[in-house]
Amino acid sequence: DSGVTQTPKHLITATGQRVTLRCSPRSGDLSVYWYQQSLDQGLQFLIQYYNGEERAKGNILERFSAQQFPDLHSELNLSSLELGDSALYFCASSVGRDEQFFGPGTRLTVL
Amino acid sequence: TQLLEQSPQFLSIQEGENLTVYCNSSSVFSSLQWYRQEPGEGPVLLVTVVTGGEVKKLKRLTFQFGDARKDSSLHITAAQPGDTGLYLCAGEDSNYQLIWGAGTKLIIKP
Repeated sequence: DSGVTQTPKHLITATGQRVTLRCSPRSGDLSVYWYQQSLDQGLQFLIQYYNGEERAKGNILERFSAQQFPDLHSELNLSSLELGDSALYFCASSVGRDEQFFGPGTRLTVL
Repeated sequence: TQLLEQSPQFLSIQEGENLTVYCNSSSVFSSLQWYRQEPGEGPVLLVTVVTGGEVKKLKRLTFQFGDARKDSSLHITAAQPGDTGLYLCAGEDSNYQLIWGAGTKLIIKP
């Protein structure tokens, strides 16, 4: 158990819909990262927040957005969903530049 | 754009064999991390190497950081079925961001 929690574990929705994925970082970790992993592929970095502020942006689509709240939990919002958005979405947290601790992921299926 | 290339992309070997996985770039990294991801789970950090030429051992796993800090390797001795997983390398760039490789999918057959 990494200490990072993600909900929901599974999500099935239809094209065009909007979903919200939630992440609670490890206690004390200020940084939260979001990644997308398609089947049998590596991690695609989406976005990083540090103590409520956006720190870095990766290959995040304009249809996707995220935020980190004062209690440090984070949400990733995916809208106008397409079939190709089906993937595992991981959240990770870290104290600073150290090891990233990953949550169990949310498996999103868009039908 | 900095890239980390991992090779091979896929490797399937018998239990007891040795193997090496490579992580290469044309860019210099201040440190490099190796993670292992098992099916249905998030990646877990195995090791961080920081100094050029550094070698770290974790039981049957040996990690090496290239002298120029542009490449790294992971060598597994006498592989076991429990070593099966996706091995990911990630290098820290000058902006303190992690650049991720695409991963090596390793299957160890009993």
